[in-house]
Amino acid sequence: AQSVAQPEDQVNVAEGNPLTVKCTYSVSGNPYLFWYVQYPNRGLQFLLKYITGDNLVKGSYGFEAEFNKSQTSFHLKKPSALVSDSALYFCAVRDINTNAGKSTFGDGTTLTVKP
Amino acid sequence: NAGVTQTPKFRVLKTGQSMTLLCAQDMNHEYMYWYRQDPGMGLRLIHYSVGEGTTAKGEVPDGYNVSRLKKQNFLLGLESAAPSQTSVYFCASRASSTYSNQPQHFGDGTRLSIL
Repeated sequence: AQSVAQPEDQVNVAEGNPLTVKCTYSVSGNPYLFWYVQYPNRGLQFLLKYITGDNLVKGSYGFEAEFNKSQTSFHLKKPSALVSDSALYFCAVRDINTNAGKSTFGDGTTLTVKP
Repeated sequence: NAGVTQTPKFRVLKTGQSMTLLCAQDMNHEYMYWYRQDPGMGLRLIHYSVGEGTTAKGEVPDGYNVSRLKKQNFLLGLESAAPSQTSVYFCASRASSTYSNQPQHFGDGTRLSIL
């Protein structure tokens, strides 16, 4: 079985400050990990993924995420937040051996960046 | 390149009515998925398909049926709509197991209200 937890429903940061959106996961095997962003009335858009290798992965729009195997975490980060980063963010996990490659999504974290 | 296209974008039904939601992708993806998104509950998998002519149940399949007669299309049917099926429905697609580390591509959703 696989699962994802996003412990914060809402994250508020000031523009220009660093942001972190937290994600922890559970899989029986090795994970593929993904972050997606959803803007109002739109579908989810892929931001970045961890497959293997470097624990720090870089993605779109200046976002990055750090994979920590011992803490089973994959937190999303950005050094300097923009108002336009305000959106709903989803973490997803897929066990590399899972049938049909089904992903499990977290419940989402709403990021609000204030000017 | 349109990606994943969902039809219709909005629909209001009366309890007991039936309807079909259409998902079309032009990326030659093998895997396709139907999710529902409800506030505070993230994305829940309804049904999925690993290739033309195949379908399988996801996490919340009751009250829904699907068909994948053509590789590019994945249809979601509601046989007898119930108010509990009021939701936003998302279709997604992904390349085959050879590329299992690839992200899913999402449509912009169908907003369905059941009165």
